[in-house]
Amino acid sequence: KQEVTQIPAALSVPEGENLVLNCSFTDSAIYNLQWFRQDPGKGLTSLLLIQSSQREQTSGRLNASLDKSSGRSTLYIAASQPGDSATYLCAVFTGNQFYFGTGTSLTVIP
Amino acid sequence: NAGVTQTPKFQVLKTGQSMTLQCAQDMNHEYMSWYRQDPGMGLRLIHYSVGAGITDQGEVPNGYNVSRSTTEDFPLRLLSAAPSQTSVYFCASSDYWENTEAFFGQGTRLTVV
Repeated sequence: KQEVTQIPAALSVPEGENLVLNCSFTDSAIYNLQWFRQDPGKGLTSLLLIQSSQREQTSGRLNASLDKSSGRSTLYIAASQPGDSATYLCAVFTGNQFYFGTGTSLTVIP
Repeated sequence: NAGVTQTPKFQVLKTGQSMTLQCAQDMNHEYMSWYRQDPGMGLRLIHYSVGAGITDQGEVPNGYNVSRSTTEDFPLRLLSAAPSQTSVYFCASSDYWENTEAFFGQGTRLTVV
C-alpha cells in the first residue's frame, strides 16, 4: 500500500524566510503528485501539480520538485508571508485514488 | 464555474439516523471520490467512481454507500450513523487521465451524537 509522509509536521518561520516542505512516498508507480493548501475549516486548494514525467513546477513564489525514483517531492516557498500560514498537503495519484500525507502546518510570523 | 459543490456544510445526526451528503461538479469530470479527514490521520478514501454507473470501495467504505447515476453527481449515504463517523467529509473530482488536477469541495462537517 502506498504511504505518504510529510516532514516536518509543523513549522514556524519569520516573515521573509525561504522554506522547504518535504513529502515522501513509498511506491514510485504514481501518475502525478499534487500539493494542496488547506486553511482552517476550509477545503483543499490546489497549488501545484507535477506530472509523473516532470521534475518540477513553478507558480509565483512556489516551486515543487519531484524525484519519482527516490520517492520524494519538495515544496519551496520563497520570501514567506503571514498569508502563507496554512496546512500544506501533498498527495500522489496512483490511477485509482489519491494518497495523502498528514500535512505540514506552517506559521509565518510577522 | 462553481467547481465542486458540497451540501450541507454542517450536520448533526443522532446515532442510527441516515442521511445523504451531496456532491456535484460542473467540470464534466469522470473521476469523483469521497474522503474523510480526521485529526492525525490525514484524508482517507471512502469510495470513488471513474464514471457514471461505476463505483468502487476505498480504504474505509464500511457504513457508507454511493451511487453515480450522472457524471455531475456523486452522493454519499450514511446508512446508520455512528459516533465513529464524526468527521469532515470532502468530495473531489478530476478528469480520469494521467496528468490532471484534482478539485475539492469545501467539506461537510458531520457530528454524530
